[in-house]
Amino acid sequence: KNQVEQSPQSLIILEGKNCTLQCNYTVSPFSNLRWYKQDTGRGPVSLTIMTFSENTKSNGRYTATLDADTKQSSLHITASQLSDSASYICVVSGDTDKLIFGTGTRLQVFP
Amino acid sequence: DTEVTQTPKHLVMGMTNKKSLKCEQHMGHRAMYWYKQKAKKPPELMFVYSYEKLSINESVPSRFSPECPNSSLLNLHLHALQPEDSALYLCASSQEPPLGYTQYFGPGTRLTVL
Repeated sequence: KNQVEQSPQSLIILEGKNCTLQCNYTVSPFSNLRWYKQDTGRGPVSLTIMTFSENTKSNGRYTATLDADTKQSSLHITASQLSDSASYICVVSGDTDKLIFGTGTRLQVFP
Repeated sequence: DTEVTQTPKHLVMGMTNKKSLKCEQHMGHRAMYWYKQKAKKPPELMFVYSYEKLSINESVPSRFSPECPNSSLLNLHLHALQPEDSALYLCASSQEPPLGYTQYFGPGTRLTVL
């Protein structure tokens, strides 16, 4: 069964600190993996998209890594800001038009 | 213009009402999507339109009826909804069906069914 699992479910950090969010997937065949940021009550916004041949991709303070062998990805946030408070969703696509969404990690950044 | 717009932002309707949600994009994207998202859950795919043709229908109840009048517009017609249909309805678009292409999401319509 194609699944995408994320951890932790929720995370609280202080402003300025770094954090890492995890994503494990069992989707096969694998096409690409995306990380989205979703503010409460808003639509998701794409942060990164990686194919199986890419190990890392950065978007400002966000850096995503992908290990296609172990089927794991991580999203590292550097020098967190209050505006980083949101849900972060890992999404994997296979060989169809469907995207498989993870359950998300809820991040709260406190001053 | 890299925006997907949705109207209305909020909608409250009774179970006997008929209403429509609207979505628009002017990025020249040929794939458009409807998602339903309950609180603290990931979005669930409802429909995919590819080149203005319905390509994926995730066995959504017939009280939800999608329509794609042209490549820039996507509607979701609602009729005889149930209270459990209350959710955030998200529209998204991508250059082509999603393999390798970024999906751009709209801000969503918050639907409440009384």
